[in-house]
Amino acid sequence: GAVVSQHPSRVICKSGTSVKIECRSLDFQATTMFWYRQFPKKSLMLMATSNEGSKATYEQGVEKDKFLINHASLTLSTLTVTSAHPEDSSFYICSARGQGALAEKLFFGSGTQLSVL
Amino acid sequence: QKEVEQNSGPLSVPEGAIASLNCTYSDRGSQSFFWYRQYSGKSPELIMSIYSNGDKEDGRFTAQLNKASQYVSLLIRDSQPSDSATYLCAVNLGGGADGLTFGKGTHLIIQP
Repeated sequence: GAVVSQHPSRVICKSGTSVKIECRSLDFQATTMFWYRQFPKKSLMLMATSNEGSKATYEQGVEKDKFLINHASLTLSTLTVTSAHPEDSSFYICSARGQGALAEKLFFGSGTQLSVL
Repeated sequence: QKEVEQNSGPLSVPEGAIASLNCTYSDRGSQSFFWYRQYSGKSPELIMSIYSNGDKEDGRFTAQLNKASQYVSLLIRDSQPSDSATYLCAVNLGGGADGLTFGKGTHLIIQP
């Protein structure tokens, strides 16, 4: 168990458009999900913590009005990049904690490569 | 501020040899430590977790933790070309629902 599904895997969009990325926990309930961003040859940077039924907690320097997070159910969190610009091009990855014996481990979605033209 | 440091490499190891990956962390209160493997263009995959001082073995992988020195390592025995990847060290302060802080990763190359 502890499978996290993320889609789309790749998005190419024009500057100024909005892009929605979905993250689902398939075989467990995730009250908390995390969104990371990774630039080429760089480490994963935590963007925000998504809490089911409440507002997301954003890391310092991450614009909450630009990166909208919705966690409406125990199995789904979405990240919307609003008015995307080329500097937002990156690899976005969601993750969730497992349950029970896997509760201290983070499991990752397959990632979304966003390219903004 | 929590920091996790790794040598970015590349670290080149002959096939069949032992690959040794190292990581240091700044937050002495850190409780949970993880090693992830990441292939290019893919998301990280959990390899090992370790929570207490000493060694933890799982197949060809051994994680080593020394909290006094704030040091965690990963050994890969009998290295295979398929082990070539970037290995990310990640640290979690305490338990609960906090996100992980990742190192920049070490690029490991296993030479056939």
